[in-house]
Amino acid sequence: AQSVTQLDSHVSVSEGTPVLLRCNYSSSYSPSLFWYVQHPNKGLQLLLKYTSAATLVKGINGFEAEFKKSETSFHLTKPSAHMSDAAEYFCVVSDRRGTYKYIFGTGTRLKVLA
Amino acid sequence: GAGVSQSPSNKVTEKGKDVELRCDPISGHTALYWYRQSLGQGLEFLIYFQGNSAPDKSGLPSDRFSAERTGGSVSTLTIQRTQQEDSAVYLCASTQNAGALETQYFGPGTRLLVL
Repeated sequence: AQSVTQLDSHVSVSEGTPVLLRCNYSSSYSPSLFWYVQHPNKGLQLLLKYTSAATLVKGINGFEAEFKKSETSFHLTKPSAHMSDAAEYFCVVSDRRGTYKYIFGTGTRLKVLA
Repeated sequence: GAGVSQSPSNKVTEKGKDVELRCDPISGHTALYWYRQSLGQGLEFLIYFQGNSAPDKSGLPSDRFSAERTGGSVSTLTIQRTQQEDSAVYLCASTQNAGALETQYFGPGTRLLVL
């Protein structure tokens, strides 16, 4: 079975400081991993996805994530937080067993302090 | 181009009534998914359509839930005899093709409140 675990339900950072949102995965296959962001009362937007072409994946709005097979992790980072980054972030693995449905983590709510 | 659209954006209904939620996927996308986002359960898969194949209904929580996709495009999720625990945001997503690396594009969701 495939799953993802987001280690923090809430993260608070000050504006201009680095962001780290942690995600660990479990998969019998080479995983397809994604990070999505959901702003209040908005839909889910793709930040980035791991396609096995490169372990360091760059996404939109300055976010990036590094796939580490030895640690089964896919942590999301950003060097400098902006107020507009305040949102909920979901780590996702795609189920390879036929339907490719998304299996979501429980989400991390990021708060950015002025 | 246009993204995934869903209607209505909000729906308030009384317990026991039936509701229909609509999803218009991105034109040309062959795969369509329904998910539910609720406070207690997080984001969970409901049903999947791919082309003319039989849908994967393994995520539907009860036989009160059903969905169809007409003409390989628009999909309707129907909840019969609604219960308060059905209150949630129902999200639809589509992908161009079926595959593990395909990005799912999500609609804005329908917020359902069952009184």
